[in-house]
Amino acid sequence: EVKLLESGGGLVQPGGSLKLSCAASGFDFSRYWMSWVRQAPGKGLEWIGEINPDSSTINYTPSLKDKFIISRDNAKNTLYLQMSKVRSEDTALYYCARIHYYGYFAYWGQGTLVTVSA
Amino acid sequence: EIVLTQSPAITAASLGQKVTITCSASSSVSYMHWYQQKSGTSPKPWIYEISKLASGVPARFSGSGSGTSYSLTISSMEAEDAAIYYCQQWNYPLITFGAGTKLELK
Repeated sequence: EVKLLESGGGLVQPGGSLKLSCAASGFDFSRYWMSWVRQAPGKGLEWIGEINPDSSTINYTPSLKDKFIISRDNAKNTLYLQMSKVRSEDTALYYCARIHYYGYFAYWGQGTLVTVSA
Repeated sequence: EIVLTQSPAITAASLGQKVTITCSASSSVSYMHWYQQKSGTSPKPWIYEISKLASGVPARFSGSGSGTSYSLTISSMEAEDAAIYYCQQWNYPLITFGAGTKLELK
């Protein structure tokens, strides 16, 4: 069974940094593109970016390219999202997702909540 | 960046009613997918590659479209279909979502 378990969310001050993790199990993590998607409270879904299996290609949505860094450790079956210079508008539930063909998010985690507040 | 516009934003349907949700793209997309989300839960894969149903999705759902215009149709509304539906496009290297359509039971 495919499982994606996000962690690392919490309260962070404006301008601060936070690193989220997504532990994958039930599939060969090293073979799949992975992605982060976020959802602000009461709002829609926003794609953050994606990373290919060997980390040689990382794509970001243009508005977040300079704030967030996606990485992975295939030995640990873990996906990461390094957040920096956070602002109140970064308050959201952050999901990791496994990408199937053609950008299709076939599996989602349960999300980890990040709250940016002083 | 391709912008997806979903309509309607909110709609309500009676049991047995046919429902159509549309997703219009600002330019032609390569692939369109749909997700269902209910309150307090993660999005669920629903329709992929325009018209293929994800595992477990009832056959009353269908997807269609091409170019810049896509739709999700429910042939006969059931109570369990009340949810928010999001379209999502893939036009490498960027992915965008629509704002969502909230479907309620009338």
